Amino acid sequence: DAKTTQPPSMDCAEGRAANLPCNHSTISGNEYVYWYRQIHSQGPQYIIHGLKNNETNEMASLIITEDRKSSTLILPHATLRDTAVYYCIVLYNTDKLIFGTGTRLQVFP
Amino acid sequence: GAVVSQHPSRVICKSGTSVKIECRSLDFQATTMFWYRQFPKKSLMLMATSNEGSKATYEQGVEKDKFLINHASLTLSTLTVTSAHPEDSSFYICSATQGADTEAFFGQGTRLTVV
Repeated sequence: DAKTTQPPSMDCAEGRAANLPCNHSTISGNEYVYWYRQIHSQGPQYIIHGLKNNETNEMASLIITEDRKSSTLILPHATLRDTAVYYCIVLYNTDKLIFGTGTRLQVFP
Repeated sequence: GAVVSQHPSRVICKSGTSVKIECRSLDFQATTMFWYRQFPKKSLMLMATSNEGSKATYEQGVEKDKFLINHASLTLSTLTVTSAHPEDSSFYICSATQGADTEAFFGQGTRLTVV
């Protein structure tokens, strides 16, 4: 079973920052937090991952709380093309990605 | 990012026939590949883990004789849906990694329709 909890859906205005939360209260010390997204009828796309430090790349920023029990994915300037289902995944001591239900982000004009 | 290619992207087959889906890592060697299926408006469900040169590991409830997986090289894994039935109609997706704790790259998916 996925060990993350995400809100089922969120809305965001185009051009604004989208902040997607994820709870992973049972995460252990050597487990990473990964974020993927899936645009309708496509394979998932890797966004970002982190262990304990905040991370930023060209797509997004990942903020992980100090106790590592939750994280937030930030899309700094959401566009209509960012409309997708976003999955937060804790990577166990294997390399299996187990998907939860994700957050359906709708970006509106 | 790395590229994973799936083929075909869409297939329609008759009930009782078998269908093979290919998953290729185009610019890296994938020690491990994964197969998922996804029903409409649902999340991805992991079916099996495919390791090059060894037998696939199936998740609980997935019939290994129904879904045959072969990972003959470091760049190719195949999923064969044998004796397909309408309930096997689904979106099948593969992913590949270069090793543990590295990001997985996904194929574009294969939509299988069994009529």
